[in-house]
Amino acid sequence: EAGVTQFPSHSVIEKGQTVTLRCDPISGHDNLYWYRRVMGKEIKFLLHFVKESKQDESGMPNNRFLAERTGGTYSTLKVQPAELEDSGVYFCASRGQASLYGYTFGSGTRLTVV
Amino acid sequence: TQLLEQSPQFLSIQEGENLTVYCNSSSVFSSLQWYRQEPGEGPVLLVTVVTGGEVKKLKRLTFQFGDARKDSSLHITAAQPGDTGLYLCAGARDYKLSFGAGTTVTVRA
Repeated sequence: EAGVTQFPSHSVIEKGQTVTLRCDPISGHDNLYWYRRVMGKEIKFLLHFVKESKQDESGMPNNRFLAERTGGTYSTLKVQPAELEDSGVYFCASRGQASLYGYTFGSGTRLTVV
Repeated sequence: TQLLEQSPQFLSIQEGENLTVYCNSSSVFSSLQWYRQEPGEGPVLLVTVVTGGEVKKLKRLTFQFGDARKDSSLHITAAQPGDTGLYLCAGARDYKLSFGAGTTVTVRA
């Protein structure tokens, strides 16, 4: 079974530019999560999709962040315009509906805003 | 405000020694998970504990969930260099995980 795939693995952009991160969950997993770890801090929840619907987006920092999951398959997280404090590692995780606790994380996208 | 406090932040021990990592919170969680993360990779789930007082063993690793479901510990017996890594605890509430800051464990050969 293929794992959770994220790309790009690294992205360096200038302040004010736009970046789009992509996550391909494990096939058939209805639940998809985005998390973020900024320098020196713990991993924090951003949002949760169930299929194509946003179940919980309470962790999204501000309206510069837009997440989508069209068709309930892969998801994108767009940051526009990027700010310096957006730098960090963005993780995606997926979980099957039948598995209450079986979270699988991707390797993450390291975003650096300069 | 960090919901989960992990201690210690760093731990360096000699091969064969035992170690314990603690995860404490003032909040109750429906479950608590332990992950291990390698550089450049995402967290990998080791175990989930659900019931207060629950103890789970995974080879040389023993995980315990506090009776009040607010704290947990990870104990490694006879640590090996392959146990080196970042260990993270995460509490689950409404399927949303709150992570501790992690404990970096180094086992010297």
